[in-house]
Amino acid sequence: KQEVTQIPAALSVPEGENLVLNCSFTDSAIYNLQWFRQDPGKGLTSLLLIQSSQREQTSGRLNASLDKSSGRSTLYIAASQPGDSATYLCAVDQTGANNLFFGTGTRLTVIP
Amino acid sequence: NAGVTQTPKFQVLKTGQSMTLQCAQDMNHNSMYWYRQDPGMGLRLIYYSASEGTTDKGEVPNGYNVSRLNKREFSLRLESAAPSQTSVYFCASSEGYSQTFGQGTRLTVV
Repeated sequence: KQEVTQIPAALSVPEGENLVLNCSFTDSAIYNLQWFRQDPGKGLTSLLLIQSSQREQTSGRLNASLDKSSGRSTLYIAASQPGDSATYLCAVDQTGANNLFFGTGTRLTVIP
Repeated sequence: NAGVTQTPKFQVLKTGQSMTLQCAQDMNHNSMYWYRQDPGMGLRLIYYSASEGTTDKGEVPNGYNVSRLNKREFSLRLESAAPSQTSVYFCASSEGYSQTFGQGTRLTVV
């Protein structure tokens, strides 16, 4: 069974700092990997999706990388802002049927 | 631009009671999903529906039933609620790989 782990569970950084969130998965036979953002009391918002054949995806200040063979993905946030404070979740799709296995998330706090 | 709407937002049940969580989407998506999110754990898939008229079990289906009433609506039923079903429930829909999530239903079973 696929297991997805995110470390650290929580992270606090001062505004303006660049930061990296980590995601690891046990079964490297994945179809794609996604990063989501969750604000308190809200649903999830999709940030980036990386297909298994891709190495990275970028959207604005966000860059996600994928190393399928080692079972790892990172989410890089440049020049962090207080509005980036949220929980970030990664999820893997093993079959392409969009049945996602989620990590436990990293709660990010950006201090003004 | 409602997206995915879940009702109710909060619910308290007594052990053994039944209830149905409602989910509706207005994006004409084919696929819909139900997840639960527990403290310290990621979201886990309960059931999904790849298209109208079909439903399949996810990772944690025990204790739940679902109905894909039409293309817009996908309901989740707890026939006999247990304290272990205390959780936040999320409905999502998708066309392609991008899922759109509802705001969640916080369910407490006492």
